[in-house]
Amino acid sequence: DAMVIQNPRYQVTQFGKPVTLSCSQTLNHNVMYWYQQKSSQAPKLLFHYYDKDFNNEADTPDNFQSRRPNTSFCFLDIRSPGLGDAAMYLCATSRVSTRYSNQPQHFGDGTRLSIL
Amino acid sequence: TQLLEQSPQFLSIQEGENLTVYCNSSSVFSSLQWYRQEPGEGPVLLVTVVTGGEVKKLKRLTFQFGDARKDSSLHITAAQTGDTGLYLCADSGTYKYIFGTGTRLKVLA
Repeated sequence: DAMVIQNPRYQVTQFGKPVTLSCSQTLNHNVMYWYQQKSSQAPKLLFHYYDKDFNNEADTPDNFQSRRPNTSFCFLDIRSPGLGDAAMYLCATSRVSTRYSNQPQHFGDGTRLSIL
Repeated sequence: TQLLEQSPQFLSIQEGENLTVYCNSSSVFSSLQWYRQEPGEGPVLLVTVVTGGEVKKLKRLTFQFGDARKDSSLHITAAQTGDTGLYLCADSGTYKYIFGTGTRLKVLA
């Protein structure tokens, strides 16, 4: 059963044309994450939501925004994609980790974004 | 800043061979996850280890966590072509994962 679902699997957009990627989850996890992964590299965290609290990584470009309208859905908006933004974008979810219990993250299959 | 180094970076072996990949941290792990990522898909969680010295087995995969909780190894017995993929270790902090540099494994038929 798919638990973290990303749509679309493949997205092609034009240079500078806004694009939105979506993620939904059936796990009812509090925390949702967006990662960027370039070829053969480890995923790079862009931002995460703890419930509705948004947390941006310091080095995430302003070009990247996110929305989480409810527990189940989270969106990644790229306002003006450049050629360097071509990558796999991964969504992940987890329960809240505590000092005594670190929770693993569960990933979707990703959206591969190409820029023309 | 914690750094997770994985070795080797690339590994190509024949089906049926055994292999071991390593993950070394510059500081003590909070807890360690191992993931496998196949081309075009998201990482899939293989195991979580928390206790120093812990050993976990998942069919042909054996995961070891160092006594000092700064290193881990993943051993695959009798590799199969389906084991091909990117193997990532990660340390989970309260919210944030730190991923290792990855080992890209190719198992040849």
